[in-house]
Amino acid sequence: EDQVTQSPEALRLQEGESSSLNCSYTVSGLRGLFWYRQDPGKGPEFLFTLYSAGEEKEKERLKATLTKKESFLHITAPKPEDSATYLCAVQERSGGSNYKLTFGKGTLLTVNP
Amino acid sequence: EPEVTQTPSHQVTQMGQEVILRCVPISNHLYFYWYRQILGQKVEFLVSFYNNEISEKSEIFDDQFSVERPDGSNFTLKIRSTKLEDSAMYFCASTEGPNTQYFGPGTRLTVL
Repeated sequence: EDQVTQSPEALRLQEGESSSLNCSYTVSGLRGLFWYRQDPGKGPEFLFTLYSAGEEKEKERLKATLTKKESFLHITAPKPEDSATYLCAVQERSGGSNYKLTFGKGTLLTVNP
Repeated sequence: EPEVTQTPSHQVTQMGQEVILRCVPISNHLYFYWYRQILGQKVEFLVSFYNNEISEKSEIFDDQFSVERPDGSNFTLKIRSTKLEDSAMYFCASTEGPNTQYFGPGTRLTVL
């Protein structure tokens, strides 16, 4: 069973059409939830870290929120340059010095002009 | 702004050959990671490294893989005898601690 599930797999929007991406997770203890943006052939680019339910972070047209079971990435009035794959990853609370990330499959966002 | 760098950007090798992928993490970071992403699939954890030793490795990270921090700046991933299924993008990441991991641009490994 996947620990991180993202939906939808793909989303096509018109420029200016706001929407939300979902990331649901099943880990026993969440240390942090991370959103990354990934362009084709490139490495994940950090967007947000959320640590506790109720937390919200904003950056330009993006806002990330967190509950005890899921996170949303809200995109307000998107532009074509927002087209990318958006990745969600979780970090479990555990002992030791390993802080590995477990990723979802991502949502491929296409914004048409 | 500091960033993680990786070389080469693309590596083509024959099945059975050894490859070394190189990474220069952000200078004050202490924790280092390798992930891989097979085309069209999700990013998968391979190994984490802290205080000059492996702190965790995944099932993927078998005896064919090894990591090393040969000096104060480089972090390498070696695959001893490559297989076709090792073809993927390999990402290095680094972090100061239990917070945001910063990823490099990746090395695309193609095994023929």
